[in-house]
Amino acid sequence: DAGVTQSPTHLIKTRGQHVTLRCSPISGHKSVSWYQQVLGQGPQFIFQYYEKEERGRGNFPDRFSARQFPNYSSELNVNALLLGDSALYLCASRDGPNSYNEQFFGPGTRLTVL
Amino acid sequence: AQRVTQPEKLLSVFKGAPVELKCNYSYSGSPELFWYVQYSRQRLQLLLRHISRESIKGFTADLNKGETSFHLKKPFAQEEDSAMYYCALSGPGNTPLVFGKGTRLSVIA
Repeated sequence: DAGVTQSPTHLIKTRGQHVTLRCSPISGHKSVSWYQQVLGQGPQFIFQYYEKEERGRGNFPDRFSARQFPNYSSELNVNALLLGDSALYLCASRDGPNSYNEQFFGPGTRLTVL
Repeated sequence: AQRVTQPEKLLSVFKGAPVELKCNYSYSGSPELFWYVQYSRQRLQLLLRHISRESIKGFTADLNKGETSFHLKKPFAQEEDSAMYYCALSGPGNTPLVFGKGTRLSVIA
C-alpha cells in the first residue's frame, strides 16, 4: 500500500479561481480528514468525513467544501481563491472516526494563489 | 478553547546531548496528546501518543496534567533526529487534531 495519496502535488492558481484537491485513503480506511498548513504554522483542521458523511468542520469559510465518495476517496474544493489560501493541504486517513484511531497523513498538495 | 503551545521554533543541540521539546496545552477536560514528526522530504507521521506510554526511537513524553504539559525528551540526540516536531491534542471520541506551530530540531555533529 502506498499510503495516503494526494493529487496534484503542486498547483498554481490566480485569485478568484476555484480548485479541487483529491485524496485517496489507505485501503480499508473509512475516515478522511483535511488540514491546511500555512508556512510556519502547524496543520489546521478543515473537515472530517467518515462513511461519506461530514463528521466535523473547522473554522473555515463556506468557500471551502468537501465530499467523500463510495470508495472513501475525497475531494476538497475551494472557491473564489484568495491569496491567503496559499498553503500545503494535507489529507489524513484512519480506519475509524475516533481520536484513538491513528491518523496517517498524505504528502500534501502545495497550493499557490497568485 | 483548545490550544497547543510550542514555545521554541528552533532547537539546536549537539549529538549525544539530551533533548527536550516543550509542549503546553489548554483544554477543558481530558485530552489525548500526541507528538508528530516530519523528517526532511517525508510526510507527517505519528511519533508517540501519551495513552500508549511507549518509547519510540528513544523518545518519551510524560503527560503532566498539573502543568498541562507534554514535553518530548530523549537522553542522547542523534543526527537522524533532526526534523520538525509537532505536538497535538484531541478530545475523546470524534474530535480533530489541534496542532502546535512546531519546533525544528537540529542535531549538530
